[in-house]
Amino acid sequence: GESVGLHLPTLSVQEGDNSIINCAYSNSASDYFIWYKQESGKGPQFIIDIRSNMDKRQGQRVTVLLNKTVKHLSLQIAATQPGDSAVYFCAENTGGFKTIFGAGTRLFVKA
Amino acid sequence: DAGITQSPRHKVTETGTPVTLRCHQTENHRYMYWYRQDPGHGLRLIHYSYGVKDTDKGEVSDGYSVSRSKTEDFLLTLESATSSQTSVYFCAISLSVLNTGELFFGEGSRLTVL
Repeated sequence: GESVGLHLPTLSVQEGDNSIINCAYSNSASDYFIWYKQESGKGPQFIIDIRSNMDKRQGQRVTVLLNKTVKHLSLQIAATQPGDSAVYFCAENTGGFKTIFGAGTRLFVKA
Repeated sequence: DAGITQSPRHKVTETGTPVTLRCHQTENHRYMYWYRQDPGHGLRLIHYSYGVKDTDKGEVSDGYSVSRSKTEDFLLTLESATSSQTSVYFCAISLSVLNTGELFFGEGSRLTVL
């Protein structure tokens, strides 16, 4: 069935370093891929998305890369800060009401 | 900024009792969703609404019902709560009219069923 998974459940990085969070997806029909950040006790927060006809999209300190050949999605965070500590979810959407979320990766930022 | 208010934020109840969670939005968004979040499962869609009185099931809808009698309110009801429904429930609205998966979430309602 459809699934969105993550390669690593936790990631620990030094403050100031770049972070890379990876995600695998299985539905070739998905049209949008989205990254969310969830801080403790809060709801998920939209970070950035990318459409299937793109392979890279940049935001403020974040870059999402999409490799459709191997069905892989990644989120890169530049100059990681303590405020980036959170759980990050990738999600995929086929353009309808169904958005499937992965299990999440917890990012720890060491000072 | 889209405004979503979920109530109650925390609730403890007993098995077999009915529970209703409320989601209220102030921005007149058409599409609304209820998700549950459990460790190891990420977020799973329970039900969604695409307009007043227009709702449909998500992937984990068994044991849940919803109602949307006006645009701003989307109610999630557990007719007879079970321990497996202990979870954190999130309401969300779609920020994109194209339903691209760009969702704005509420703060969550933590439900414990004893």
